[in-house]
Amino acid sequence: QVQLQQSGPGLLKPSQTLSLTCAISGDSISSNSAAWSWIRQSPSRGLEWLGRTYYKSKWYNDFPVSVKSRITINPDTSKNQFSLQLYSVTPEDTAVYYCAREYGLSTFDAFDIWGQGTMVTVSS
Amino acid sequence: DIQMTQSPSTLSASVGDRVTITCRASQSISTWLAWYQQKPGKAPKLLIFKASSLQSGVPSRFSGSGSGTEFTLTISSLQPDDFATYYCQQYNTYWTFGQGTKVDIK
Repeated sequence: QVQLQQSGPGLLKPSQTLSLTCAISGDSISSNSAAWSWIRQSPSRGLEWLGRTYYKSKWYNDFPVSVKSRITINPDTSKNQFSLQLYSVTPEDTAVYYCAREYGLSTFDAFDIWGQGTMVTVSS
Repeated sequence: DIQMTQSPSTLSASVGDRVTITCRASQSISTWLAWYQQKPGKAPKLLIFKASSLQSGVPSRFSGSGSGTEFTLTISSLQPDDFATYYCQQYNTYWTFGQGTKVDIK
């Protein structure tokens, strides 16, 4: 049974860096049939995909234009986990953050496994 | 970006009702569409992928249909556990979600 366990702080000040980790059990981060994403949810923006990392002979990342300039997602094969760093946060980054597995062999697939969610608040 | 529009935003129904939720894409996405159920304080749960394929473990009262730009999620006989918010999601080009449809008790 695949599970994703999130960890990381929930309160930040503006301009700080948001850092979250997602530990994977029951699957390998290096799987050729999975990719690993971060998604956030807020009342104002709804559900918003933030980016992904995946392995297909080498590591790849994809990010939407909206956050591409201030985000990194890194795999950690030694711990079978991946992390999110979002730089220079503002109150607009306040949201529940989820990690999720995208499973399949297509270019894009649905998210079949989700982490439990982490509420992140950005406030001075 | 592909925009996803759901209707209605809120739906009031009773146990045993047949419920239909509609999702429209701003451009054709073939059948690259998923449906999720979300309950308060929980992560979304995948119900349907590839527009009409039922995810393992999901009750057969849930079904999906459509292709191109118009899609529907149908719950054939609403159960107490089904009161939740439902989201469509396109994955033809990256991912975008609809704004959600809350199914509440009539």
